[in-house]
Amino acid sequence: DAGVIQSPRHEVTEMGQEVTLRCKPISGHNSLFWYRQTMMRGLELLIYFNNNVPIDDSGMPEDRFSAKMPNASFSTLKIQPSEPRDSAVYFCASSLSLSTDTQYFGPGTRLTVL
Amino acid sequence: AQTVTQSQPEMSVQEAETVTLSCTYDTSESNYYLFWYKQPPSRQMILVIRQEAYKQQNATENRFSVNFQKAAKSFSLKISDSQLGDTAMYFCAFMKPRGNNDMRFGAGTRLTVKP
Repeated sequence: DAGVIQSPRHEVTEMGQEVTLRCKPISGHNSLFWYRQTMMRGLELLIYFNNNVPIDDSGMPEDRFSAKMPNASFSTLKIQPSEPRDSAVYFCASSLSLSTDTQYFGPGTRLTVL
Repeated sequence: AQTVTQSQPEMSVQEAETVTLSCTYDTSESNYYLFWYKQPPSRQMILVIRQEAYKQQNATENRFSVNFQKAAKSFSLKISDSQLGDTAMYFCAFMKPRGNNDMRFGAGTRLTVKP
């Protein structure tokens, strides 16, 4: 079975540019999560969706960050404009539902903003 | 707010030996979930083991087992017969009861298995 798929695996961009990260959850999973991992702050939950609807975006650092889930098989996390402090590894995870405990993670996208 | 503490930033163990990673957490909830995730150099986050707080029996997955002490809010991971492939960062995580999948992670423990 395919796991959570993220693209790109690596992204290098310049400050001020728009960055879009993509995620395909495991088929049949109804909940999707975006995390950010940095050395300073560890793993942080940014936002999560249930049945394509954003449930909690309180972890989104600022208005430059936005996330969408137009359908059950696709989500994006967009940063516009990007800044060097956004450099991190961004993980997407999915679970069967909000009533199911286990989240399965994608391989992550390493973002570098120069 | 829930916090998760991993007090050992780095540990090492000889191949085939046993190692225990510590984790404590703070919560006022009576029911919750606890996890150990492994992150090898590939960066993939891999679920190692999970424990439901309402279950008194410690979870076990092959060479991995936990020592769950609810009263002490402790959740340690024991790796038996350590293998080179166990070298990774290990994260302890706490999740609130069902319906709210806000998962909190500890800072991680870097484990190195030496040949």
